[in-house]
Amino acid sequence: EVQLLESGGTLVRPGGSLRLSCAASGFTFTRSAMNWVRQAPGRGLEWLSYIADRDSGGRTYYADSVRGRFTISRDDSRNTLYLQMNSLRVEDTALYYCAKRRDYGDFLFDSWGQGTLVTVSS
Amino acid sequence: SYVLTQPPSVSVAPGKTARFTCGGNNIGSKSVHWYQQKPGQAPVVVIQYDSDRPSGIPERFSGSNSGNTATLTISRVEAGDEADYYCQVWDISRDHAVFGGGTKLTVL
Repeated sequence: EVQLLESGGTLVRPGGSLRLSCAASGFTFTRSAMNWVRQAPGRGLEWLSYIADRDSGGRTYYADSVRGRFTISRDDSRNTLYLQMNSLRVEDTALYYCAKRRDYGDFLFDSWGQGTLVTVSS
Repeated sequence: SYVLTQPPSVSVAPGKTARFTCGGNNIGSKSVHWYQQKPGQAPVVVIQYDSDRPSGIPERFSGSNSGNTATLTISRVEAGDEADYYCQVWDISRDHAVFGGGTKLTVL
């Protein structure tokens, strides 16, 4: 069974930094592309970032709203996905989900974690 | 950037049919995936590749996609179907995943 467990969310001041983690199990992490998706309180889903598997070059993509501030990375030896968030803004307050891309075919999210809450406030 | 437009809400009585639209420029040329998100839970795929139901999803869920509109249909709606529904595509021109704004289903 695929399991994704996010951690690292907390209260942080505007302008601050935070690193989120997502521990993966139940599938071959090294062969899977991974994503971060967030959901602000009472709002919809917003895709943030994607990282390909190593065999696909590990390329990364970012939404315009976070490019230059957030960095996605992975440690395949630890089966863990990360999101380094810098220059945080009040509008970054959200529940942050780690989501696995389906390993074949079109781009869809076939497994999600339960999310970790980031609150940016002074 | 590519935009997906969904109505904010749909209301339907139990046993009736609920339809959710997802509008996008020439969306019929893309694969559309639909997610159900119940309160306090992570999203779950209910329709993939426009009209395919993943294992475990009831036959009451169906989808279509043509022209500028994709549609998710839930037949014989049940109280347990109350949730937010999101459409999603991959914008290959920008290598971005795109979600619609979501539609909240209320079962009357």
